[in-house]
Amino acid sequence: SQQGEEDPQALSIQEGENATMNCSYKTSINNLQWYRQNSGRGLVHLILIRSNEREKHSGRLRVTLDTSKKSSSLLITASRAADTASYFCATDARAGGTSYGKLTFGQGTILTVHP
Amino acid sequence: NAGVTQTPKFRVLKTGQSMTLLCAQDMNHEYMYWYRQDPGMGLRLIHYSVGEGTTAKGEVPDGYNVSRLKKQNFLLGLESAAPSQTSVYFCASSRRPSSYNSPLHFGNGTRLTVT
Repeated sequence: SQQGEEDPQALSIQEGENATMNCSYKTSINNLQWYRQNSGRGLVHLILIRSNEREKHSGRLRVTLDTSKKSSSLLITASRAADTASYFCATDARAGGTSYGKLTFGQGTILTVHP
Repeated sequence: NAGVTQTPKFRVLKTGQSMTLLCAQDMNHEYMYWYRQDPGMGLRLIHYSVGEGTTAKGEVPDGYNVSRLKKQNFLLGLESAAPSQTSVYFCASSRRPSSYNSPLHFGNGTRLTVT
């Protein structure tokens, strides 16, 4: 079963607007990561938030993590047409020992930013 | 630096044929992974390696074999291809396990069609 579930599945906005994507997961985690995938390309790491962190910023990206609700959100501010891509959350489940990077990915949110 | 390079980019196989997908990384990463990406399923881990000469099963290992004879290369083999293996395959690497907050670096994928 999928550890991470993104919501919404698709999001369409105008350039300059903010985009918010949500991710829910099921088990305790070491960290949660967000990745971006442009059409026909591999995934690119955007930001990582540790389980003991509540908020993290990187440029126009803001990630929050609520471990009590097992959820995270990714906010992209002042979106640009170039932000059009699929966005995935990935969780590193905490299971006693080292997980060796067995990240579990959600199904992704397809973001379309119209110029 | 090229990062993570996958070959080939595209391949069409007939049912029962075999092939090997090659992944090469030039970042001296210890950890390497093979994922498959299917519509509506996100990315699923097939096999992974925590160092030269080691391999381990992921979430969906059946029908695949892997080898890590050299630190920089991770090979994924399909001994007898089936239509259910039609997918986009991604290789990734990381310096440390993701539980140490080490992100994954992805290649651009191999699109495989089995007819």
